[in-house]
Amino acid sequence: AQKITQTQPGMFVQEKEAVTLDCTYDTSDPSYGLFWYKQPSSGEMIFLIYQGSYDQQNATEGRYSLNFQKARKSANLVISASQLGDSAMYFCAMRDGPRGTYKYIFGTGTRLKVLA
Amino acid sequence: GAGVSQSPSNKVTEKGKDVELRCDPISGHTALYWYRQSLGQGLEFLIYFQGNSAPDKSGLPSDRFSAERTGGSVSTLTIQRTQQEDSAVYLCASSLGGRTPLSNQPQHFGDGTRLSIL
Repeated sequence: AQKITQTQPGMFVQEKEAVTLDCTYDTSDPSYGLFWYKQPSSGEMIFLIYQGSYDQQNATEGRYSLNFQKARKSANLVISASQLGDSAMYFCAMRDGPRGTYKYIFGTGTRLKVLA
Repeated sequence: GAGVSQSPSNKVTEKGKDVELRCDPISGHTALYWYRQSLGQGLEFLIYFQGNSAPDKSGLPSDRFSAERTGGSVSTLTIQRTQQEDSAVYLCASSLGGRTPLSNQPQHFGDGTRLSIL
């Protein structure tokens, strides 16, 4: 069965430092997409970055990059030059296609706190 | 509007009452999802609609929960005989729902309905 695991319930990082949020996944489907979302305390879910299973290069979006290690089934989010506004919950999600359902599943999230 | 719209934003009701939560997805999005998020927790999948296919109801916690999507657009999540454990934020999301999971089709979320059962 598909599964997303985020093992870090909470993380702290000093402002301007880089931080890595871990995500491992399990799927038997060769075709899948991986997503990261940010949820600030205000509650909205904000899409950050996407990685397709056949993408040759790691995805990058501004200060966000995805460390995709397919053999290890990991898709860690790296935030460079952390800012106070990065304090939020971060969710890893996967979309794959068993039986054509193509639905998303989410991890339990990591709460990031950026320290001044 | 341009985004996913959910109503009401807040709902307070007494235990045992029925509630209806509404989601209006982004125009053209064929996939629609309902999630439940308890305070400080992750997203619990409830139900997924994709075009005209039969919905995936595998996440509905009990037969008190049901959802429908009329005309492939607006969706209503109904909770009958509400219990205190139903208190949570109910999030709706939509996406283009293409036939391959490889495409960069993120979900777009509404602001949620905060449901409180007294």
